[in-house]
Amino acid sequence: DIQMTQSPSTLSASVGDRVTITCRASQSVHTWLAWYQQKPGKAPNLLIYKASSLESGVPSRFSGSGSGTDFTLTISGLQPDDFATYYCQHYSSYHTWTFGQGTKVEIK
Amino acid sequence: QVQLQESGPGLVKPSETLSLSCTVSGGSVSSDNYYWSWIRQTPGKGPEWIGYIYHSGSTNYNPSLKSRVTMSLDTSKNQFSLTMRSMTAADTAIYYCAHGDSYGGNEGAFDIWGHGTMVTVSS
Repeated sequence: DIQMTQSPSTLSASVGDRVTITCRASQSVHTWLAWYQQKPGKAPNLLIYKASSLESGVPSRFSGSGSGTDFTLTISGLQPDDFATYYCQHYSSYHTWTFGQGTKVEIK
Repeated sequence: QVQLQESGPGLVKPSETLSLSCTVSGGSVSSDNYYWSWIRQTPGKGPEWIGYIYHSGSTNYNPSLKSRVTMSLDTSKNQFSLTMRSMTAADTAIYYCAHGDSYGGNEGAFDIWGHGTMVTVSS
């Protein structure tokens, strides 16, 4: 089974900062990688799919990159609404899905 | 725009069977390109994918849960459902239903989620 490992687990940042979150797969997942934002008491919300494509309606300050085993989610100019937990997720062509353990972005 | 709403019991006794339904509005559960999943999450942890069902009715399950899980479609009610047997305290979690589009650009992701329903396993 493919494992998804995110780092860091927690990140402290200020409004306006550029923030980078990393997700590493235990073996190549090509670009079958998505990113979600989750706020307390809410369901996850899709931000990025296929590693670097921005979901409709998501602000352009969110961007994704990477392929194979190493991926990043970048928030360029952190906004107050962005303090949340972020998850990566891999999709396998065998129709299985695996999520990372999450990165919490906190106010510094 | 597709919307999802989970329903089912909030409390299940150990060893009993959980049955949850997800009602789909704004779209058809049998649309050619749609796939549907159940996903659960315990506080402070990442989501755990439980299973998937395609519009055709074909399924696949998380290997760690496969022996206890069944998913099905009910086209007359425009719903899909989850049955999980032999529940234990470790199954206490928020259960979400989710949608994906295999012909959409965002194939492989879940673009629409229900609000989630809390399920507690306790006697």
